[in-house]
Amino acid sequence: AQSVTQPDIHITVSEGASLELRCNYSYGATPYLFWYVQSPGQGLQLLLKYFSGDTLVQGIKGFEAEFKRSQSSFNLRKPSVHWSDAAEYFCAVGAGRDDKIIFGKGTRLHILP
Amino acid sequence: DVKVTQSSRYLVKRTGEKVFLECVQDMDHENMFWYRQDPGLGLRLIYFSYDVKMKEKGDIPEGYSVSREKKERFSLILESASTNQTSMYLCASSWAVLRPDTQYFGPGTRLTVL
Repeated sequence: AQSVTQPDIHITVSEGASLELRCNYSYGATPYLFWYVQSPGQGLQLLLKYFSGDTLVQGIKGFEAEFKRSQSSFNLRKPSVHWSDAAEYFCAVGAGRDDKIIFGKGTRLHILP
Repeated sequence: DVKVTQSSRYLVKRTGEKVFLECVQDMDHENMFWYRQDPGLGLRLIYFSYDVKMKEKGDIPEGYSVSREKKERFSLILESASTNQTSMYLCASSWAVLRPDTQYFGPGTRLTVL
């Protein structure tokens, strides 16, 4: 069965600094990979997704993620964070045969002014 | 824009009450989902519906049931609420494409059971 791990529960970065959030998955075949963001008091919003093709995926709000099969990873990056990026970020993985996805436990991002 | 709405943002109920959480989507999605979100546990799937009157148990269905009488509406029912069901409940919907795809989420209902 597939699973997804986000090793960092909390991450703090300064405004303007670069960001990388880690995500590792476990699945035998090529997974379907997602990053979602949840702002305080809100539902989840899709940032980006990877199904196939170019392993570097661009998303909304200036985020990107890179699929690395050899490392079973799908890390999320942003070159320069803004205070409004403070939120909880969820990585998710799906298998091929149904419509369900499994979510990681989330990484809460804090931004220092 | 896809819109998923949930009937309440905040709900307070007493132990033993029957609780209904309603979710409506306006994009004609076949799939609808109910998740429970708890700190440190992420999102856990309670139930999944892939068509009207069709449902499938998720990872934590105990103590919950669901109803989908119309395509746009998916209800989560707590037959007899207990304090350990205090949580944030998130509804989502997606197209049925026989593979994982983008799920669109409602704003959530924060349920407190006293």
